Amino acid sequence: ETGVTQSPTHLIKTRGQQVTLRCSSQSGHNTVSWYQQALGQGPQFIFQYYREEENGRGNFPPRFSGLQFPNYSSELNVNALELDDSALYLCASSLERGAGGELFFGEGSRLTVL
Amino acid sequence: DAKTTQPPSMDCAEGRAANLPCNHSTISGNEYVYWYRQIHSQGPQYIIHGLKNNETNEMASLIITEDRKSSTLILPHATLRDTAVYYCIVRSLYNQGGKLIFGQGTELSVKP
Repeated sequence: ETGVTQSPTHLIKTRGQQVTLRCSSQSGHNTVSWYQQALGQGPQFIFQYYREEENGRGNFPPRFSGLQFPNYSSELNVNALELDDSALYLCASSLERGAGGELFFGEGSRLTVL
Repeated sequence: DAKTTQPPSMDCAEGRAANLPCNHSTISGNEYVYWYRQIHSQGPQYIIHGLKNNETNEMASLIITEDRKSSTLILPHATLRDTAVYYCIVRSLYNQGGKLIFGQGTELSVKP
C-alpha cells in the first residue's frame, strides 16, 4: 500500500469523448505526476504538478491537461479521446519537487477507448 | 537523463539470487541509478537507488561499477512474488521530482 489512490479503476469511453481521472496523493506529498502506460510498454511521463502548477511536461498534446488542488489531490483530463489513448494511467506522488526522493505510485486507471 | 539498456527477460529459480544487469554507459556525474519494479496489474514500486557507492536495503542490493557505466540489482533470495518487470532508470540530480524515463525493463520470472 502506497497511500496513493486512483479512481475509477476501469472505464470505457468512445472516440471523441472526454474523460477525467482522479488521484489522491499520499498524505503530505505536494508533488504529483501522471504517466500513461500502453500495453507491453513502460510508463511514459505526461506531466507533473507542484503546488497547484504544472511543472514539467512530456511529449503529450494539449488535450491532455491536469489540475492539482490545495489538498494536493489531482485530476487528469483527456479531451477528444482517440483509440491510442487506451492505456493504464498512473499517478505518482512525492514529497518534494527535487530529485532523490522516491515516487509512490497508485494502482492506475485502465481506460479503454472504443 | 541518460538512456539505459536491460535484457528483455530473465528466469530465476526460487530461493536463488536474481542478478539483474543494467547498462547506462552515457551516465553523467550528477545522475543517480534508480530501480523500480512493476508486478502485473499494479503500479510501479520503488526498490532502491544509488549514486556511486553500493547500496543495500531490506529489498535488494545495488552494485554500481567503478566507472558507473553499468549496475546490477541483486535480489538475494528470490521468491515467486518477485516475478515482475524491473526497470532501471537514470535520473538527474536536477530532475524536478516526478519525471522518470522508463525503458522496456526486464521481465523476471521466478520459477519453483
